[in-house]
Amino acid sequence: AQSVTQPDIHITVSEGASLELRCNYSYGATPYLFWYVQSPGQGLQLLLKYFSGDTLVQGIKGFEAEFKRSQSSFNLRKPSVHWSDAAEYFCAVGAGNQGGKLIFGQGTELSVKP
Amino acid sequence: DTAVSQTPKYLVTQMGNDKSIKCEQNLGHDTMYWYKQDSKKFLKIMFSYNNKELIINETVPNRFSPKSPDKAHLNLHINSLELGDSAVYFCASSSGLAGYQETQYFGPGTRLLVL
Repeated sequence: AQSVTQPDIHITVSEGASLELRCNYSYGATPYLFWYVQSPGQGLQLLLKYFSGDTLVQGIKGFEAEFKRSQSSFNLRKPSVHWSDAAEYFCAVGAGNQGGKLIFGQGTELSVKP
Repeated sequence: DTAVSQTPKYLVTQMGNDKSIKCEQNLGHDTMYWYKQDSKKFLKIMFSYNNKELIINETVPNRFSPKSPDKAHLNLHINSLELGDSAVYFCASSSGLAGYQETQYFGPGTRLLVL
């Protein structure tokens, strides 16, 4: 069965430091992968997505993610974190053979220290 | 212009009551979804509709009944509310089926508290 694991429940980084959020997926075919961000009290917003082609994907707000098939990973990165990046981050895989639903990871809460 | 809107934003009610949550999207999308986010922030799909037709119906108690009067609306009715129904319910929409490359656009959520 398809699944997504985000090993880090909570991460704290200093403002200006680099960030990497981990995501591992389990999927039999070529996965459709997404990263969403949820600010406190808000809905989810898409940061970036991967379907095929270049394995390094650029997204909004300066985020990027790299698809590594050999490691079944799709880690999210940002070179310099801003205080406004503090939020919950969700990795998701599109289960194309199940009506197109998204299967989400548990989420990683990002805190930013001044 | 809110792309995906939900009403109400907050809902506090007693066990055993029946309540509805409404969702509307003005994006012209064909597919709409309901997700439940529990207290640990885990998101799980409940239902999806494509052009008013039920596509996904996860193992959700039959106390939950979605209704799609038209492509732009997907409402969620919950009968005989239980304590465990307390959660945040998100509506979302996409122009196709989300797993097939399309981006899902989420509403702001409805925070349901059952006392």
